[in-house]
Amino acid sequence: KAGVTQTPRYLIKTRGQQVTLSCSPISGHRSVSWYQQTPGQGLQFLFEYFSETQRNKGNFPGRFSGRQFSNSRSEMNVSTLELGDSALYLCASSASGGPVTEAFFGQGTRLTVV
Amino acid sequence: DAKTTQPTSMDCAEGRAANLPCNHSTISGNEYVYWYRQIHSQGPQYIIHGLKNNETNEMASLIITEDRKSSTLILPHATLRDTAVYYCIVRVASGSARQLTFGSGTQLTVLP
Repeated sequence: KAGVTQTPRYLIKTRGQQVTLSCSPISGHRSVSWYQQTPGQGLQFLFEYFSETQRNKGNFPGRFSGRQFSNSRSEMNVSTLELGDSALYLCASSASGGPVTEAFFGQGTRLTVV
Repeated sequence: DAKTTQPTSMDCAEGRAANLPCNHSTISGNEYVYWYRQIHSQGPQYIIHGLKNNETNEMASLIITEDRKSSTLILPHATLRDTAVYYCIVRVASGSARQLTFGSGTQLTVLP
């Protein structure tokens, strides 16, 4: 069974640009969550999508957005990039089949803003 | 979700058991204890979770004290590949990865 796939693995962007990251969850998983990891702040929750709807959102500015498609694939977009957006962006998928389930994380996309 | 306290770092000799403690003294009755680990530059990996009984799987064992205020993750025979940051997370049951609160974790270094 294929794991969570994130593309691209590495990305370099310039301040002010926008970027779109992609996440393909494990087949059959309907929940996709996004996290940002930086050396200073650690792992922080961005948002979660379930059945194409944003179900939860972390404490990030509106420049961070996302969506989920009918096949559960998800994208996140960051507009007007700032240097501080340089981070490892991780997505996690879950089966959501019961009250307690483990999350499976992808390898992440390392974004560098210059 | 309850807050957790973990040592910043620990060393363990290869082949020995690694015992990673976690304090969660404010845990609520409906909160589970989850453990994840993150090997350098990779995504976190789920290890194990439990409510109040001790749990064991192919990766590790989880020992939860009777008052549930602390727990210990045990890697029975640590290998160099177990070198990673280990996160103890306490939260209510949820069928998703949303809003997992990762603290600073414990950097476990397995020494040859």
